[in-house]
Amino acid sequence: GNSVTQMEGPVTLSEEAFLTINCTYTATGYPSLFWYVQYPGEGLQLLLKATKADDKGSNKGFEATYRKETTSFHLEKGSVQVSDSAVYFCALSVRYGQNFVFGPGTRLSVLP
Amino acid sequence: GAVVSQHPSWVICKSGTSVKIECRSLDFQATTMFWYRQFPKQSLMLMATSNEGSKATYEQGVEKDKFLINHASLTLSTLTVTSAHPEDSSFYICSARDRPGQEFTGELFFGEGSRLTVL
Repeated sequence: GNSVTQMEGPVTLSEEAFLTINCTYTATGYPSLFWYVQYPGEGLQLLLKATKADDKGSNKGFEATYRKETTSFHLEKGSVQVSDSAVYFCALSVRYGQNFVFGPGTRLSVLP
Repeated sequence: GAVVSQHPSWVICKSGTSVKIECRSLDFQATTMFWYRQFPKQSLMLMATSNEGSKATYEQGVEKDKFLINHASLTLSTLTVTSAHPEDSSFYICSARDRPGQEFTGELFFGEGSRLTVL
């Protein structure tokens, strides 16, 4: 079956630090990969996505590259801000497959 | 981009009453919508898949008589929590996927969430 594994955190960083949140997946078929972000008290927002191998998704300074050989989609940001404090979910979706599959989420706290 | 809207964003009710939460796709047609429940500091738990014009498909352990789902049109799905009790207090989130036949992106579009508190 399909599954997503990500570091569960919580992750606490100082402002301007480098961020990496690891995400690996298993899937039958050829998945699309996503990172969603959930700010306190809100629903989920799409942060970035990649639909095929070697694609790089990027948004708001965050990046993630679809690595088929390592089945990974690690999220990175060179310099985090306090406003980046949120929960980040890695997810996959397979065409014609059932449902989205979410990772457990990683809570990020950025301190000033 | 596509927008999914939930209403109400928060609701407080007395134990034993029923509460309806609406999920609307505002600028696209969604044949499939999903309902999730999220406990504090936890990931999303899929409750059911709502299909337009047919019965919802519930995940194991979710009571279909407790959580009534209706998907009467391509832009609206509703979740009704019947005879609510304090243990039903939670954050409920809906999402929708693009209509089949359109270019597949796999992306889910999420509502803002509805926080239910049962006293």
